[in-house]
Amino acid sequence: SYELTQPPSVSVSPGQTARITCSGDALPKKYAYWYQQKSGQAPVLVIYEDIKRPSRIPERFSGSSSGTVATLTISGAQAEDEADYYCYSTDNSGNQRVFGGGTKLTVL
Amino acid sequence: EVQLVESGGGLVKPGGSLRLSCAASGFTFSSYSMNWVRQAPGKGLEWVSSITSTSTSMKYADSVRGRFTISRDNAKSLLHLQMNSLRAEDTAVYYCAREEADKFYTWFDPWGQGTRVTVSS
Repeated sequence: SYELTQPPSVSVSPGQTARITCSGDALPKKYAYWYQQKSGQAPVLVIYEDIKRPSRIPERFSGSSSGTVATLTISGAQAEDEADYYCYSTDNSGNQRVFGGGTKLTVL
Repeated sequence: EVQLVESGGGLVKPGGSLRLSCAASGFTFSSYSMNWVRQAPGKGLEWVSSITSTSTSMKYADSVRGRFTISRDNAKSLLHLQMNSLRAEDTAVYYCAREEADKFYTWFDPWGQGTRVTVSS
């Protein structure tokens, strides 16, 4: 079955840039999507189609993709950005809908 | 404002059944495909099932196929998930999520707040 691989945790100091990666064999042909999930809350979309940001999401959130790796970048991370972040995509056929294992971002 | 409100969760014994519902408002429900996504305690997200806007196609994760059935009532803006033969590993928070689409690509936005299902004797 198809898998997306994320680092379990990333830690940065306030104001630093946080980068969270997502690896998957189909990412050269399939978009990556990123969700933020704060403790006890539902996931919220922060990036779609690799690089697009919903209007309600702060500009410090950005996405990129190169080859088999998609990256979520938070420029100038703030304490309020502490959350679990999940990437989402599909396999090449589009039949398997898969989330990465999640990355816990700590800002301290 | 788009709202998705899940209900129907609770405690059920292994082998039992449960029916989840998701009430949608703030958008034209009948125009969107809908999904269920679950999250086991302390674990990541797992897509469970999807249904097209007119119920012409339903898809399921391998882990629930043959046990769960997704359905919808467009007249009432309701999404359902009938869960039978429940197992301990089905214990999770179940989220309903609207499916957004751009050509061949789809994603989930927004999500409801979830309803908790616990399968235990």
